[in-house]
Amino acid sequence: AQSVSQHNHHVILSEAASLELGCNYSYGGTVNLFWYVQYPGQHLQLLLKYFSGDPLVKGIKGFEAEFIKSKFSFNLRKPSVQWSDTAEYFCAVNAGRDDKIIFGKGTRLHILP
Amino acid sequence: DTAVSQTPKYLVTQMGNDKSIKCEQNLGHDTMYWYKQDSKKFLKIMFSYNNKELIINETVPNRFSPKSPDKAHLNLHINSLELGDSAVYFCASSQGGGAVTGELFFGEGSRLTVL
Repeated sequence: AQSVSQHNHHVILSEAASLELGCNYSYGGTVNLFWYVQYPGQHLQLLLKYFSGDPLVKGIKGFEAEFIKSKFSFNLRKPSVQWSDTAEYFCAVNAGRDDKIIFGKGTRLHILP
Repeated sequence: DTAVSQTPKYLVTQMGNDKSIKCEQNLGHDTMYWYKQDSKKFLKIMFSYNNKELIINETVPNRFSPKSPDKAHLNLHINSLELGDSAVYFCASSQGGGAVTGELFFGEGSRLTVL
């Protein structure tokens, strides 16, 4: 069965620090990978996605993620975070055979002004 | 215009009661989902419907029964509520499902508290 692991449950950073949130999935076949974000009091929204092609994916608000197939990883990065990036971040995977998008447990990111 | 709307946003009820949460999407999508987010923020898929047909039915107690009267609506009815049902329930929709676009559009969630 597919599963997604996010290793960091709670991350606290100062503004302008660099960010990397880890995500690993368990599925040996072709996968589609996503990062979703949930800002305080708002609904989840898609940050970026990987289906195929360039393993380095650019998303909204300066975020990017790199798919490393050999490591089953899809880590999210941002070179310089802002206070407004405070949110919950969810990594998700779809195995491509069905409509199931499986979410990780989320990482709560807190940016100090 | 809210793309995916859920009602009610908050629901407080006693154990043993029956309650429903409604979801409507105006995006013209053909696939709708229910997810449950527990107190630890873990998002777990419950059901998925495509054009009113049940596609995904995860290991969910029989007390949970989804109903899709048309492809724009997916309601969730819960019988004999238990304490463990307390959670935030998210409705979502997509066009073609995860295997096609992968982008889910979520509602704002319905926070259910069972006392």
